[in-house]
Amino acid sequence: QQQVKQSPQSLIVQKGGISIINCAYENTAFDYFPWYQQFPGKGPALLIAIRPDVSEKKEGRFTISFNKSAKQFSLHIMDSQPGDSATYFCAAIGAAGAGSYQLTFGKGTKLSVIP
Amino acid sequence: KAGVTQTPRYLIKTRGQQVTLSCSPISGHRSVSWYQQTPGQGLQFLFEYFSETQRNKGNFPGRFSGRQFSNSRSEMNVSTLELGDSALYLCASSLMGASYNEQFFGPGTRLTVL
Repeated sequence: QQQVKQSPQSLIVQKGGISIINCAYENTAFDYFPWYQQFPGKGPALLIAIRPDVSEKKEGRFTISFNKSAKQFSLHIMDSQPGDSATYFCAAIGAAGAGSYQLTFGKGTKLSVIP
Repeated sequence: KAGVTQTPRYLIKTRGQQVTLSCSPISGHRSVSWYQQTPGQGLQFLFEYFSETQRNKGNFPGRFSGRQFSNSRSEMNVSTLELGDSALYLCASSLMGASYNEQFFGPGTRLTVL
């Protein structure tokens, strides 16, 4: 059962354009929503994260929009650059018992920014 | 500060063999989690270790096991390898566990099962 659904699978954007990646979750017990960026040959790295009591969070060119009632959140990359070309994963964190928290990932979006 | 290191980076095994992967977390981090990454299934949680105890386990068969040592270094073992075990295995460390603590990922071990 996929608890975090991510779309699109791949995305091609012109340099300077806006990249938008969407995610939806099912489990209302999730209480933290990070986005990870992964370059080839590297592990994922935290990009930006949001708590569900906030509707939007912006860090530089990256913005998360969060809609708690719809159980959806999205990543917007403004002024996309070729260096942003990577795979992006949304994730959701929820308590898993015994003091443990578990990251559940979406399946990823491969972003290509063309000059 | 050194990042998360994983060894080996690449591994080729044949079906039926077993394999051990190693992860050294960032100094001071007590939680180590393991993930399997495949093109079809994405990133899937295997298990988390904290202070040498397995604190959480994902939905993987018993052939996948792990342990954590007193210095927080962790190993995962896969026995009786199957073709479907071919994947990138990632470990991530954090101070206390996922929660609101950032998880730092290593570069992964690419396992190919022939």
